Amino acid sequence: AQKVTQAQTEISVVEKEDVTLDCVYETRDTTYYLFWYKQPPSGELVFLIRRNSFDEQNEISGRYSWNFQKSTSSFNFTITASQVVDSAVYFCALSYGGSNYKLTFGKGTLLTVNP
Amino acid sequence: EAQVTQNPRYLITVTGKKLTVTCSQNMNHEYMSWYRQDPGLGLRQIYYSMNVEVTDKGDVPEGYKVSRKEKRNFPLILESPSPNQTSLYFCASSLVREAAYGYTFGSGTRLTVV
Repeated sequence: AQKVTQAQTEISVVEKEDVTLDCVYETRDTTYYLFWYKQPPSGELVFLIRRNSFDEQNEISGRYSWNFQKSTSSFNFTITASQVVDSAVYFCALSYGGSNYKLTFGKGTLLTVNP
Repeated sequence: EAQVTQNPRYLITVTGKKLTVTCSQNMNHEYMSWYRQDPGLGLRQIYYSMNVEVTDKGDVPEGYKVSRKEKRNFPLILESPSPNQTSLYFCASSLVREAAYGYTFGSGTRLTVV
């Protein structure tokens, strides 16, 4: 069975600090897909990134970066120079074809960025 | 605009009173799914549908029904709601061949059963 663990329930930082959100996953499939979603206080789910299991390249998008390491089954998310608008719940998720592409979510990390 | 539309956004109801949460997408997606979100539990899949007339259970289907009579619509039916179904519900859709790329989510329906 697949599983996603986000060990950090809540993180609080001061604006401009860098912060890393951890995600560890378990799956027996060799082909799988990893995602990060952001849920701001308004409640909607905002897609941030998708990674397939064959692409271990790290990715940077503005202040956001993602570190995918198959050796440790981790897909961590770093926000550089955090801003108050980054305050949200962040979810890591996993899917694969054998699960009919069901998204298995972690329990989320609540990030609070204080001014 | 390509989107998944859920209605209502907010609903307060009483135990046992049947209700339907509607979900409609305008992207001609075959794949649709319902998730519920609860504090400390993350999001869990309730039901999914690979195409018209094809539905299957997710991880937490008890107390819910769905139907897929048209490609664009995938309503979630609670025949006899109970307080433990108080939750935030999301509908999602995707092309089957692109389901690995993730879904388009609706804006959510916050349901309270008293």
